[in-house]
Amino acid sequence: AQSVTQLGSHVSVSEGALVLLRCNYSSSVPPYLFWYVQYPNQGLQLLLKYTSAATLVKGINGFEAEFKKSETSFHLTKPSAHMSDAAEYFCAVKEGGSEKLVFGKGTKLTVNP
Amino acid sequence: EAEVAQSPRYKITEKSQAVAFWCDPISGHATLYWYRQILGQGPELLVQFQDESVVDDSQLPKDRFSAERLKGVDSTLKIQPAELGDSAMYLCASSTGLAGVADTQYFGPGTRLTVL
Repeated sequence: AQSVTQLGSHVSVSEGALVLLRCNYSSSVPPYLFWYVQYPNQGLQLLLKYTSAATLVKGINGFEAEFKKSETSFHLTKPSAHMSDAAEYFCAVKEGGSEKLVFGKGTKLTVNP
Repeated sequence: EAEVAQSPRYKITEKSQAVAFWCDPISGHATLYWYRQILGQGPELLVQFQDESVVDDSQLPKDRFSAERLKGVDSTLKIQPAELGDSAMYLCASSTGLAGVADTQYFGPGTRLTVL
């Protein structure tokens, strides 16, 4: 069964610092992987997705993620944090042939001035 | 840009009352999902529709929850009777429903339910 583990329920960075949010997945077949962002009292917005076309995936708002099969990881990074990046971030996995998304528990990002 | 619409945005109800949530997916999207998100956790799938048919409702508490998508377009999720533990954000999402690809799910703004 597929699952997702997000290490660190809370991450705090200074404005301008590197953002690194960790995601490890468990899947019996090559998966599709997604990162979503959620602002308070809003729905989820897709940041980026891995579809096996390229291991380094670029998304919106300057975020990118690298798929590492050997580490079963799909960590999300951004070189320089902005105050507007403060939100909750969710990693999700979907196995090919299934439409079901399985989400991690989320990481709340705080950006300090 | 097309969006998933949900209403109401907020709902406060008393225990044992009935509540209903409405979702209108992006036009042309065949697949519609209802998720429940408990505070501090990731969304969990309650039910998935392909057109008007239920594909997966394995996590739907069927003794009190029901969902329908009669004409394969908009959908209603109902809880009767509501319990304190049902307090959560209820999210609707839709996708094109193309099988075998990384089909993106687009989420609505959600309905935040508080049961008193």
